Amino acid sequence: DSGVTQTPKHLITATGQRVTLRCSPRSGDLSVYWYQQSLDQGLQFLIQYYNGEERAKGNILERFSAQQFPDLHSELNLSSLELGDSALYFCASSARGIPSGNTIYFGEGSWLTVV
Amino acid sequence: DQQVKQNSPSLSVQEGRISILNCDYTNSMFDYFLWYKKYPAEGPTFLISISSIKDKNEDGRFTVFLNKSAKHLSLHIVPSQPGDSAVYFCAASLAFYGGSQGNLIFGKGTKLSVKP
Repeated sequence: DSGVTQTPKHLITATGQRVTLRCSPRSGDLSVYWYQQSLDQGLQFLIQYYNGEERAKGNILERFSAQQFPDLHSELNLSSLELGDSALYFCASSARGIPSGNTIYFGEGSWLTVV
Repeated sequence: DQQVKQNSPSLSVQEGRISILNCDYTNSMFDYFLWYKKYPAEGPTFLISISSIKDKNEDGRFTVFLNKSAKHLSLHIVPSQPGDSAVYFCAASLAFYGGSQGNLIFGKGTKLSVKP
């Protein structure tokens, strides 16, 4: 158990709909990251938040948005869903620390299926 | 354009032998490298890492080698055990220079099968 909690574990929704994925980081971790893993791709970095503020942005579509709340949990909002958005979405967290000791701990992921 | 490449989608090894998983990268600014292991229906779990100031890091049965001139790293597992069967992801970070703490760039993974 990594200490990172993601809900829901599985979600099936129709094209054009909107969903929200939730993540609770490990206790004490200030950074939250979102990654997408689709069938033919590795883990694609989407976005990072640090203590409530956006820190880094990766290959995140404009239809997607995220935020980190004061209690440090994060939500990833996916809207106008398309079939190609079907993927496993991972949340990860890390503590603030020196870069050489920095590691990221992943949740179990949220499976999103768009039909 | 993939910055981190794992060119072998799969690898099969006999129990007790050495497993060698390879990873190449293109961005010479990467300064921190990690290996993650992923079992089905679970999130990736951190395995071992190496800073660009080192060329080797060892942790039990796992050793990571870094060749900066070749932009290549490898993970050695000795001896391999059936429980090591999983997908292994190589990842790189611009921890020092990119200002994006933990913004990891992952390869597509190599599925390791260790046969009894």
